[in-house]
Amino acid sequence: GAVVSQHPSWVICKSGTSVKIECRSLDFQATTMFWYRQFPKQSLMLMATSNEGSKATYEQGVEKDKFLINHASLTLSTLTVTSAHPEDSSFYICSAPRGRVRSGELFFGEGSRLTVL
Amino acid sequence: GIQVEQSPPDLILQEGANSTLRCNFSDSVNNLQWFHQNPWGQLINLFYIPSGTKQNGRLSATTVATERYSLLYISSSQTTDSGVYFCAVVRNSGAGSYQLTFGKGTKLSVIP
Repeated sequence: GAVVSQHPSWVICKSGTSVKIECRSLDFQATTMFWYRQFPKQSLMLMATSNEGSKATYEQGVEKDKFLINHASLTLSTLTVTSAHPEDSSFYICSAPRGRVRSGELFFGEGSRLTVL
Repeated sequence: GIQVEQSPPDLILQEGANSTLRCNFSDSVNNLQWFHQNPWGQLINLFYIPSGTKQNGRLSATTVATERYSLLYISSSQTTDSGVYFCAVVRNSGAGSYQLTFGKGTKLSVIP
């Protein structure tokens, strides 16, 4: 069964609103989680690394004020897309390593498809 | 950062055929995983294989870490095998050495 759960799977919102996506590790604790973005027919691009109890680390070119990340507990990380615009429409997917961050097997959530009208 | 190259980019197979997907990477790695992305976008873990050989049913994988490549074998392909196969690695050291870096994927279509 799934070891990382992501919610919601689909979300449609109006331009200017904010959307929160949750990522939970179900049967293990994760001090670190990763958020990826995938455009149609492309590979996954890392957006940011979520760290429990500290600030997230963002990849170059990713606006930290637009994509707010909160790692509230050892099993939950949230991504909030603030003031969403149509260009933010994409497939967002989280992952968590089971075991050591550098060498542990990574498991992915089901993904969240965001459409901004 | 580390470079991950997958080949071929596209592959069409007749049901029942065998295939080999390749993943080359440019630096030493702590982690290498193969995923299958289904039509709904979910990434299914196939293998966690930083080195060695593993088999799971009709699928098997081999990673030769010293030569920086990994192979995914699919035997007796079925239409349900269709989708995109990704190879992803975690670099052993240096910048980004905890991040999973993805290749561009191989899109597999299995036709009846």
